[in-house]
Amino acid sequence: GAGVSQSPSNKVTEKGKDVELRCDPISGHTALYWYRQSLGQGLEFLIYFQGNSAPDKSGLPSDRFSAERTGGSVSTLTIQRTQQEDSAVYLCASSLNNNEKLFFGSGTQLSVL
Amino acid sequence: KQEVTQIPAALSVPEGENLVLNCSFTDSAIYNLQWFRQDPGKGLTSLLLIQSSQREQTSGRLNASLDKSSGRSTLYSAASQPGDSATYLCAVGADSGGSNYKLTFGKGTLLTVNP
Repeated sequence: GAGVSQSPSNKVTEKGKDVELRCDPISGHTALYWYRQSLGQGLEFLIYFQGNSAPDKSGLPSDRFSAERTGGSVSTLTIQRTQQEDSAVYLCASSLNNNEKLFFGSGTQLSVL
Repeated sequence: KQEVTQIPAALSVPEGENLVLNCSFTDSAIYNLQWFRQDPGKGLTSLLLIQSSQREQTSGRLNASLDKSSGRSTLYSAASQPGDSATYLCAVGADSGGSNYKLTFGKGTLLTVNP
């Protein structure tokens, strides 16, 4: 594809429900990142995948958050038992290799009611 | 812990004026620094990437400098246009351990160019 694709673009859910957010990185990119952007806040790092290495999960805010990257390509961010404070834009980015320019998707706007 | 600061948080300039956007960071042990643009409701678009060994990088009307020892970067653009209105974010890339690369973002500067 031409760029990083994220789906859905918008997700409204009820408190306590689980949600899955999907990211399709640019083909051939080995590094994939998830960030969270809340209103008026900077981008908060969540998790980073690089090739076949163990992911850097140091930014995940709680054990309700998890992410997978299957086959070195598509990634899914799962939030269990959503809370209102999880409401934010979740951004995915990929880069060709470590340390290189990041390409971002348009994000998923998550609203937890 | 790396901290990235962008001041001011918002800036309004008339069309045609030259732009200077500032970014500072606390830990000089970095791999590189990236500048991004974000339009409302959109993701981020990479503008420039400066490696830690470089002092300057240019792309079109944009020029970014890096002074690693003082922890500063400046994004410069000549003759601003209304289409330049957006939020500009600075991000510092560093080793987060185990050869992992991590970008730490500033909160951005919201730029408005008035026609």
